[in-house]
Amino acid sequence: GQNIDQPTEMTATEGAIVQINCTYQTSGFNGLFWYQQHAGEAPTFLSYNVLDGLEEKGRFSSFLSRSKGYSYLLLKELQMKDSASYLCAARGNYGQNFVFGPGTRLSVLP
Amino acid sequence: DAGVIQSPRHEVTEMGQEVTLRCKPISGHDYLFWYRQTMMRGLELLIYFNNNVPIDDSGMPEDRFSAKMPNASFSTLKIQPSEPRDSAVYFCASSRTSGGSTDTQYFGPGTRLTVL
Repeated sequence: GQNIDQPTEMTATEGAIVQINCTYQTSGFNGLFWYQQHAGEAPTFLSYNVLDGLEEKGRFSSFLSRSKGYSYLLLKELQMKDSASYLCAARGNYGQNFVFGPGTRLSVLP
Repeated sequence: DAGVIQSPRHEVTEMGQEVTLRCKPISGHDYLFWYRQTMMRGLELLIYFNNNVPIDDSGMPEDRFSAKMPNASFSTLKIQPSEPRDSAVYFCASSRTSGGSTDTQYFGPGTRLTVL
């Protein structure tokens, strides 16, 4: 079967660093995606990993370990506007079949 | 580019009525996806098309749901008859074929469906 697990909620302070973890089990693997979704809005793409290691993009970084079925999203210098849900999604080997995790709701406090 | 366009943005209907949701993907994108999002089940892939052809509809919950893509710039998701448990936000997304991160999906604003 396919399963993706993320913490339900996290809280952090403005200016801090937060790490959101994601574990996955999929039928084959062809990429791990992170999306940000503000309340009442559509998901927007943040990052993509297909090989092991760290991908850095400004204040956001994403890490992947394929052998462990594990990824994390690292957010630095948190801002109030980073308060949102963060969705982890895995793509299987077959076509464009994406499985999304339940999302982690991040609250950034002043 | 205008991005993925969905209509209507909100739909309120009564149980038993037919509902049709519409989507216009980004020009040049050859994949189109329909998702449903609820608090209980999160974001679920219902069906996706490649070059207007349905590739995987295993996520379509039941025969009451059907999707079509008559051309590269238009797709519909129809629910007939609708039931209260179909209440959700329905997203359409599109992407372009290529390896790597350029094949990320771009989501439309969604249609919030309420079935009374």
